[in-house]
Amino acid sequence: DAKTTQPPSMDCAEGRAANLPCNHSTISGNEYVYWYRQIHSQGPQYIIHGLKNNETNEMASLIITEDRKSSTLILPHATLRDTAVYYCIVRGTSGTYKYIFGTGTRLKVLA
Amino acid sequence: TAGITQAPTSQILAAGRSMTLRCTQDMRHNAMYWYRQDLGLGLRLIHYSNTAGTTGKGEVPDGYSVSRANTDDFPLTLASAVPSQTSVYFCASSDWRGSANTGELFFGEGSRLTVL
Repeated sequence: DAKTTQPPSMDCAEGRAANLPCNHSTISGNEYVYWYRQIHSQGPQYIIHGLKNNETNEMASLIITEDRKSSTLILPHATLRDTAVYYCIVRGTSGTYKYIFGTGTRLKVLA
Repeated sequence: TAGITQAPTSQILAAGRSMTLRCTQDMRHNAMYWYRQDLGLGLRLIHYSNTAGTTGKGEVPDGYSVSRANTDDFPLTLASAVPSQTSVYFCASSDWRGSANTGELFFGEGSRLTVL
């Protein structure tokens, strides 16, 4: 399973775009990139995932570099409710299907 | 819809006692997982099951056992609890079978265990 590296913390002004980076330099061709967030002590919440192409949904956009060694989660207009810990994980499409969480990025949205 | 149900929501346990954390899902997902989260840290995978009848070890399996007798239930057992097992335990499930399934993880609300 590929490992991911994220900055431990980031701040973002309310209403601005929050760009959260993730490095997954050992990712293999069949591994997806998933993003989750955890608010307080709740269970993590799915945000978005992708394989090669950039993806967008109602919550966020996911930009994956062409070599797939890194990705960026974009929250286009951050609100105070987006304050959370954001996790980037990779998961293969064969084998054990383990989801290994790293330490994540603690995003604080400032008023 | 209930999704993932965990029980108990919290428990205080004396060291050396055994404890089973229960997890039930009603989504017929093929895979289930147990994670622990210590204060201020990320989630660490304890055990997982890709399908009923199979289980596998995660990152921190020592001191824990699991079983997957059917699709819906995935209990986690601590045979002899130790204080270092004080943590919040999350159960999760996912299904990647078929193009309609995203492999998204669905989490329960967590079980807070304190071992004294």
